[in-house]
Amino acid sequence: QLVQSGGGSVQPGGSLRVSCAASGFIFGRHWMKWVRQAPGKGPEWVSEVDGDGSTTNYADSVKGRFTVSRDNAKNTLFLQMHSLRAEDTAVYYCTRSGSPFAFDVWGQGTVVTVSS
Amino acid sequence: QSALTQPPSASGSPGQSVTISCTGTSSDVGGYASVSWYQQHPGKAPKLLIYAISERPSGVPDRFSGSRSGNTASLTVSGLQAEDEADYYCCSYAGSNGYVFGIGTKLTVL
Repeated sequence: QLVQSGGGSVQPGGSLRVSCAASGFIFGRHWMKWVRQAPGKGPEWVSEVDGDGSTTNYADSVKGRFTVSRDNAKNTLFLQMHSLRAEDTAVYYCTRSGSPFAFDVWGQGTVVTVSS
Repeated sequence: QSALTQPPSASGSPGQSVTISCTGTSSDVGGYASVSWYQQHPGKAPKLLIYAISERPSGVPDRFSGSRSGNTASLTVSGLQAEDEADYYCCSYAGSNGYVFGIGTKLTVL
């Protein structure tokens, strides 16, 4: 199970952090990923981090502005977002990569709204 | 990285079969055995239906099946049921570009 918190509304240029608490599986054994979905649009992969947090990857649209991290002692995944833009407005989902190259467990989603 | 191409809509009557296509390129769909499919009901998170082109996670009915030919993947829903009415998205690993999703197909059960 993945339970998300954080997010909310922010002005352009602002920052937000979204958290994702995992339970029911061995958290440190899995790649974890963030996916977002803008209103009325399909999902978009945002970032990923490997089991021990040493490898991270980002979509070009967020590279240099977003940072993914994890605390395996607390079974928690984070997405720190800076320099937010209107086009970052979306529902953000944390997901587990338990099946090869797939997103097999999803959080409930967190709304992030960037507007002046 | 462009989104994968899916038909915007599909429909079928209860009990019938429907196939949804997902077209990409040799850099994503055709290049990796990593196509997955997701079902999303309104206001809910997506749910994994198929991974690795044709594998079903435990708990997913065998009415859902996947395949791939060249740069096009397909999801077939057999024995349509009312609860299958939802949005369906394909997704593919795309190497250094990460993952790319499809634009989505709205399935209507008539």
